[in-house]
Amino acid sequence: GAVVSQHPSRVICKSGTSVKIECRSLDFQATTMFWYRQFPKKSLMLMATSNEGSKATYEQGVEKDKFLINHASLTLSTLTVTSAHPEDSSFYICSAPGGHQETQYFGPGTRLLVL
Amino acid sequence: GQQLNQSPQSMFIQEGEDVSMNCTSSSIFNTWLWYKQDPGEGPVLLIALYKAGELTSNGRLTAQFGITRKDSFLNISASIPSDVGIYFCAGQTTSGTYKYIFGTGTRLKVLA
Repeated sequence: GAVVSQHPSRVICKSGTSVKIECRSLDFQATTMFWYRQFPKKSLMLMATSNEGSKATYEQGVEKDKFLINHASLTLSTLTVTSAHPEDSSFYICSAPGGHQETQYFGPGTRLLVL
Repeated sequence: GQQLNQSPQSMFIQEGEDVSMNCTSSSIFNTWLWYKQDPGEGPVLLIALYKAGELTSNGRLTAQFGITRKDSFLNISASIPSDVGIYFCAGQTTSGTYKYIFGTGTRLKVLA
């Protein structure tokens, strides 16, 4: 199956700093990628759709100025959590459609802890 | 955000037993995916269903796409300890955006 990687796998930062998370499709191209957020013991909540060469589409209630998304190439999307606060601590997961009929393949996730 | 109703929320079973879980929605979906997630990792695709009525197997796993396109079930036969984890269904919306809505998850624990 298609492989999606994320970097870093975990990050700890101070409140007020910005954190960038990378999502890469390793063996296929993805004009669209998706970013999810997952709280402990909860389901995945879609945050935004990352579109190569154009602006991201954000889900209702997600602050676009808080969560900056850049999809600069067909294999890379980045999510930047700006001015992070403790309530931004969460597990962030990206996915990319690949293979038959746009099946979604997920990255391994990035655990963010804001102190 | 929108979510699918998934049941049961959690279950404890004995090793060797069969397991069944399902997802229901008030909306029609054109693709159903079933994933397993281990702690601290991303979801791993188990089975993909692309048309109403489709029944697909992957080893001890079997899943079906409901005829109404509003539900799907996943069965695990002869469970083993490594089946422990959280199982999620995901439905693709029909808007052509390839966005998926996720179920609330079923937490499975297998007792040896």
